[in-house]
Amino acid sequence: DQQVKQNSPSLSVQEGRISILNCDYTNSMFDYFLWYKKYPAEGPTFLISISSIKDKNEDGRFTVFLNKSAKHLSLHIVPSQPGDSAVYFCAASAYNHHAGGTSYGKLTFGQGTILTVHP
Amino acid sequence: DTGVSQDPRHKITKRGQNVTFRCDPISEHNRLYWYRQTLGQGPEFLTYFQNEAQLEKSRLLSDRFSAERPKGSFSTLEIQRTEQGDSAMYLCASSLGGVLYGYTFGSGTRLTVV
Repeated sequence: DQQVKQNSPSLSVQEGRISILNCDYTNSMFDYFLWYKKYPAEGPTFLISISSIKDKNEDGRFTVFLNKSAKHLSLHIVPSQPGDSAVYFCAASAYNHHAGGTSYGKLTFGQGTILTVHP
Repeated sequence: DTGVSQDPRHKITKRGQNVTFRCDPISEHNRLYWYRQTLGQGPEFLTYFQNEAQLEKSRLLSDRFSAERPKGSFSTLEIQRTEQGDSAMYLCASSLGGVLYGYTFGSGTRLTVV
């Protein structure tokens, strides 16, 4: 059951243009959404997050948009740079009940999108 | 503090052997997570700790997998009687709580079962 889906395995963009990475989810209990970037031979690096009470969050060149009714989020990178070439993962978190109580402990990740920015 | 450290970086083992991985989180982080990633997929949640308490385990974590975090500092993930399907990248992450601030991941341990 893939609760978080990134339907585009890859995206190719020219340097200086906008990169738009998309993510869809099915679990309406997700409250927080995050984007991670991953270079080969490294662990994922946190980029930006958004709470479900917002529809937009911006940090420098990165903006995340959330459409709760469509269960869709996107990451915009403007302007794109060759150093942005990496695998991008979206992730989501729901409030979980577990033995220790309740918390937002676990992240559910999408399959990733390979972004290539050409000079 | 140089971030989340995982050891070893690579491990090749024969099917049926036991393996143990270690994760040293960022020192002030009280939460520690284990994930597994296979080729072409995103990280899959395995388990997480708050201090020394293991709060949640995934159904992916069969009886052959066990994780510990004694004294709430470093953590170990042990896989007993390894199978070829266990071949994957095992990622550890830590956080101070507050999911919106993200988790800091280590570089992972790549396990190959032959």
